[in-house]
Amino acid sequence: EIVLTQSPGTLSLSPGERVTLSCRASQSVSGNFLAWYQQKPGQAPRLLIYGASSRATGIPDRFSGSGSGTDFTLTISRLEPEDFAVYYCQQYDSSPPTWTFGQGTKVEIK
Amino acid sequence: QVQLAESGGGVVQPGGSLRLSCAASGFTFNKYGMHWVRQAPGKGLEWVAFIRYDGSNKYYADSVKGRFTISRDNSKNTLSLQMNSLRAEDTAVYYCAKVLEGGRYYFDCWGQGTLVTVSS
Repeated sequence: EIVLTQSPGTLSLSPGERVTLSCRASQSVSGNFLAWYQQKPGQAPRLLIYGASSRATGIPDRFSGSGSGTDFTLTISRLEPEDFAVYYCQQYDSSPPTWTFGQGTKVEIK
Repeated sequence: QVQLAESGGGVVQPGGSLRLSCAASGFTFNKYGMHWVRQAPGKGLEWVAFIRYDGSNKYYADSVKGRFTISRDNSKNTLSLQMNSLRAEDTAVYYCAKVLEGGRYYFDCWGQGTLVTVSS
């Protein structure tokens, strides 16, 4: 089973700053089936990035994803007030079909 | 627009059963695979189960295999999760989620969730 480890656990930042979140897989993620989600308190998660680097519908271009193999990154170019949330990475493995999430990174207001 | 509405959550004793439902609208339900994902209070996300668009394939997390059953009724645009032999560690908000077009790989749209509490 592929384990995803996100770092750091918490980031304290100010609006306008650039953010880089890391997601490391215990084995190579085949097909780059890696996604990022944003979750705000009391809300369901929202898909931001899929296929490691493709933005989902309606996601602002300040969000970008990169990486391949075992190392993936979510970047927010300039933090907006509405971006303070928890971010999860997620991968799909076909053998057997399983979907796993990282433990999350909380981006909080400094 | 896509809407997913879970129902059926509540308080149940350890060893008990509960059936969750997810009513889908705003998209062609019988063309998309569907998932259940849960989140324990204050914790992260955990995938629970997946069902193919036509119900022909189902997959489960090891933590629920043999106890939970995912199903769907395409005539009623409804997804279900039958949960048996419930344990305290099954306490969570349960979300249904639609796959992103093009494959089973990602969770595109989510419901607001329904809370299941397993406690005596």
